Amino acid sequence: DGGITQSPKYLFRKEGQNVTLSCEQNLNHDAMYWYRQDPGQGLRLIYYSQIVNDFQKGDIAEGYSVSREKKESFPLTVTSAQKNPTAFYLCASSPIRQNRPRTEAFFGQGTRLTVV
Amino acid sequence: AQKITQTQPGMFVQEKEAVTLDCTYDTSDPSYGLFWYKQPSSGEMIFLIYQGSYDQQNATEGRYSLNFQKARKSANLVISASQLGDSAMYFCAMRDYNQGGKLIFGQGTELSVKP
Repeated sequence: DGGITQSPKYLFRKEGQNVTLSCEQNLNHDAMYWYRQDPGQGLRLIYYSQIVNDFQKGDIAEGYSVSREKKESFPLTVTSAQKNPTAFYLCASSPIRQNRPRTEAFFGQGTRLTVV
Repeated sequence: AQKITQTQPGMFVQEKEAVTLDCTYDTSDPSYGLFWYKQPSSGEMIFLIYQGSYDQQNATEGRYSLNFQKARKSANLVISASQLGDSAMYFCAMRDYNQGGKLIFGQGTELSVKP
């Protein structure tokens, strides 16, 4: 089955630790995204990537880092510089087409990160 | 800069009635796509409907339709015959194709369907 897999589903981080959230897709999509969602809030873009070995900062990139070494994988590291990391993190992917065809994003199930 | 605005934090609707969820957007690019997603309490994001900026007709997908008014930059979601299972968060999103496919979301509207 094609889809996006995020792991782990729940993650607990001690203050000062770096943690990495995994995102893998087998949809052969070019673009991948990371979003943060706080309770009752919308999705805010952290990073996105359109091609291997390239990525761009979104609106709230500070305290986060990503890599895109393979088309299928887009891991997100929450560093100790992120002062308030407790949130729900969603990974998404989509094809990129220059013409008008529908290119909706497909989402993983999310990772709920809690600082303890 | 791109922007999506959803001005209704919460909405109530009676079961079997129709409801409209508002979405306005801002972009300077003539080529863009608009999307609506549903997020139940489980957290998953479910794609509902898409409207392209060059589409001549309003999009429809079953009980969902999109009231697209390009000049007003609005893309309201209409849900007909509401069901209890429609209770969820609804997000409007936009992709601006000339910005490299960056996908941004509005703040969301929480819809509650009353029996």
